[in-house]
Amino acid sequence: SAVISQKPSRDICQRGTSLTIQCQVDSQVTMMFWYRQQPGQSLTLIATANQGSEATYESGFVIDKFPISRPNLTFSTLTVSNMSPEDSSIYLCSILPAPAMGLFFGPGTRLTVL
Amino acid sequence: AQTVTQSQPEMSVQEAETVTLSCTYDTSENNYYLFWYKQPPSRQMILVIRQEAYKQQNATENRFSVNFQKAAKSFSLKISDSQLGDTAMYFCAFMYLYSGAGSYQLTFGKGTKLSVIP
Repeated sequence: SAVISQKPSRDICQRGTSLTIQCQVDSQVTMMFWYRQQPGQSLTLIATANQGSEATYESGFVIDKFPISRPNLTFSTLTVSNMSPEDSSIYLCSILPAPAMGLFFGPGTRLTVL
Repeated sequence: AQTVTQSQPEMSVQEAETVTLSCTYDTSENNYYLFWYKQPPSRQMILVIRQEAYKQQNATENRFSVNFQKAAKSFSLKISDSQLGDTAMYFCAFMYLYSGAGSYQLTFGKGTKLSVIP
């Protein structure tokens, strides 16, 4: 299975600033997703970031707040812009090598906004 | 919209015993996939077991097995010979081809917190 890494693993940020989270995969994959997991909650899909197309955002998430880049088949970034304490969450990138295999997840980025 | 329901927020089991976690889902799709994920306190999401809806045979992975009832839209996870390392949040997930995004989408249940007691 693919190895997925995320940077940073955690960060503490000030209100109003932005943070860019990087996701690196050790193999090429078309389908990539960004999820948010708020404290004690389940996972919520932010956007689908397939290479070669614009990211598709879920209801409640907008590009101005969560811009995503997908420059190639092994890398993606998610930026959390103009942060507020409500953005404190774990952010996870995931890949779908094939539907029957299911999603594989990176280790997550724990973000705390003060 | 697809929904996934895990009716047991928390469960506990004695070490070496068997426990079953329940999951139901609601969909009008016919072709889809179901998964159980485990999230230990370290927060890494780990795929435990997968099931394709068109396969009638229940999936098994070592101590983990599922009871897939397609007509009832039920997908329970059985953990046999529970071990301390099984302590984690368990999420049931449903995946289908979402034409709006031209991609597959995974919907998660709210999770069941399982504690294995020595």
